[in-house]
Formats: sequence, structure tokens, C-alpha cells
Amino acid sequence: DTAVSQTPKYLVTQMGNDKSIKCEQNLGHDTMYWYKQDSKKFLKIMFSYNNKELIINETVPNRFSPKSPDKAHLNLHINSLELGDSAVYFCASSQRFGESPLHFGNGTRLTVT
Amino acid sequence: RKEVEQDPGPFNVPEGATVAFNCTYSNSASQSFFWYRQDCRKEPKLLMSVYSSGNEDGRFTAQLNRASQYISLLIRDSKLSDSATYLCVVNGSGGGADGLTFGKGTHLIIQP
Repeated sequence: DTAVSQTPKYLVTQMGNDKSIKCEQNLGHDTMYWYKQDSKKFLKIMFSYNNKELIINETVPNRFSPKSPDKAHLNLHINSLELGDSAVYFCASSQRFGESPLHFGNGTRLTVT
Repeated sequence: RKEVEQDPGPFNVPEGATVAFNCTYSNSASQSFFWYRQDCRKEPKLLMSVYSSGNEDGRFTAQLNRASQYISLLIRDSKLSDSATYLCVVNGSGGGADGLTFGKGTHLIIQP
């Protein structure tokens, strides 16, 4: 069974579109995250979601919005996609906020054309 | 100064050799330290935690130097399968949304 699963694996779309990436974890973890890994391979935290508390990295544009229907799901919605949004987006979870190990999904490779 | 800093490499190392790399962190209040491994086009996975007294897991040894604010990873008898990017991760480095802060990674290539 996949612990953290995200869909789709690949997403190719045009500038200006709105898209969503879904993430689910079956580990019973309290905290979920979204990370962005750009072309230089730098992993940057975008959001942390813990017990209905959302912690946002202030550098993330408000075109990005996380949605958590329940503890096991944290989806990422992106409005008005831009070329610079092209990256690999990883969902992750941990038992508690800020703890290791982080369990990552296998990533969503987003290409904006 | 960046919060978590690593030499990006690549480090090209012959199979069987010993290789070591460091990671420095800026926040002296950081409490927990880890090494993650990321294979090409894959997700990062925990390799090992780094304890104050140093710890070993097979061919891998991790050490922490609080005074100089760096952690190290040593790989002995390197295998081709060790080729990957090694990410240094620090807890309590950035606060706020960060929780765990990742370095940019050190790219290791083991050559036959």
C-alpha cells in the first residue's frame, strides 16, 4: 500500500489555467505538507497543515491554495498558472509537525507552457 | 548566510572509495538533524537521523558538531547504488512554516 499518494504524476497545462493536485496519506499522520522542487532541485516548503491549522510560507503566491477536507487529504489548487510554476510538487506527511521522518509522495511534475 | 548549506557537487567517486560531505546550519538553536537521500526523479527518503554522539548504520556514519554548527555524512566502501543526491535536513532552523528545512543537496556519483 502506498503511504502517501498524489495524483496526477504528470501535469502539462497552459498559462492562465487553474489546476489541482490531490494528495492522500494512509499513515494516520497529523501533519501534511506541500513542497516545491524547482529546476535547481531546491526543496522549498509551501504549506504545512496540522490539526486544521494552516501555516503558510509567506513567499508563496496567493494563487496557490491548499484544501484539506480531512486529516488524510491535502489538495493543492493553483489559479492562473504561470511559466514559473513549472516544477515538481511533493506532498508529504509526518506524525507531528516538524518531525522526521517525512513520508513523501512520488511527486507531480507540472509543466506550464 | 543560508539556513542550511551544502556543497552541491557533483562529487565523482570511484566505487569502493570512502566519501564524506558536510552541511552547515545557521541557527544555533536547531535541535534535530537528518540526512535524506533523493534518487533521480524520485521523492526524498530518510537515510538516517544524526545524533549528538554520532551514529552509524552499516557503511554510513553521521556526525554532529554543535560548536561549529555542521553535520557530516561518511560513506565507506561506496557502491554504485549510492549514487544519489544527499539532502541535509535541520529542524528548528527556520521556524514558522519550515519545521524541517532542507539543504539544496549534494550530488554524489559513484563511478565503476
